Amino acid sequence: QKEVEQNSGPLSVPEGAIASLNCTYSDRGSQSFFWYRQYSGKSPELIMSIYSNGDKEDGRFTAQLNKASQYVSLLIRDSQPSDSATYLCAVNGGDSSYKLIFGSGTRLLVRP
Amino acid sequence: EAGVTQFPSHSVIEKGQTVTLRCDPISGHDNLYWYRRVMGKEIKFLLHFVKESKQDESGMPNNRFLAERTGGTYSTLKVQPAELEDSGVYFCASSQDELWATEAFFGQGTRLTVV
Repeated sequence: QKEVEQNSGPLSVPEGAIASLNCTYSDRGSQSFFWYRQYSGKSPELIMSIYSNGDKEDGRFTAQLNKASQYVSLLIRDSQPSDSATYLCAVNGGDSSYKLIFGSGTRLLVRP
Repeated sequence: EAGVTQFPSHSVIEKGQTVTLRCDPISGHDNLYWYRRVMGKEIKFLLHFVKESKQDESGMPNNRFLAERTGGTYSTLKVQPAELEDSGVYFCASSQDELWATEAFFGQGTRLTVV
């Protein structure tokens, strides 16, 4: 079992729709959860961080965390073609505060 | 404010040669990390510096890889001698502190191709 699992996609949504990206993790000791967006050939860009159960909203992005279910999600409202990218879920190693464990990423395509 | 900068952006070398990658972290960030993504795999942790000290190098693949951070500023990652399986994208990241809420910012990566 992978430590951080994501559906590789591609997830295809029409412009203006809500895109829902999901991630599960295996280490119950993890405390920090991050979503990075990566355009092809570019650096991973931090877009959301979440540390406690519940929802965290930032503009069109909402991160959701459920530690009991070991589940993290990212919702993108009013999706735009410019949101088309690979979204990486990253979790800190439970025994280590600084090491990030990445999922393989979900490719999102927003159709105009 | 400048972000994390990596040099070179691409490197193509022959098997057995040496390559040195450089990373300049965000100014004021004591923590510097190296990660690697090989083809079709997840981004994997290699090592972590706090200032000039190596805190964790558990992700380094083998002793052909040597990372340094002299003076606690920029870092280099040397691969000597390079093997075919070393091909991939090497990312550097930096963060301001190492508390559990740390947010790491990544450079654009160095794409290394060993032929």
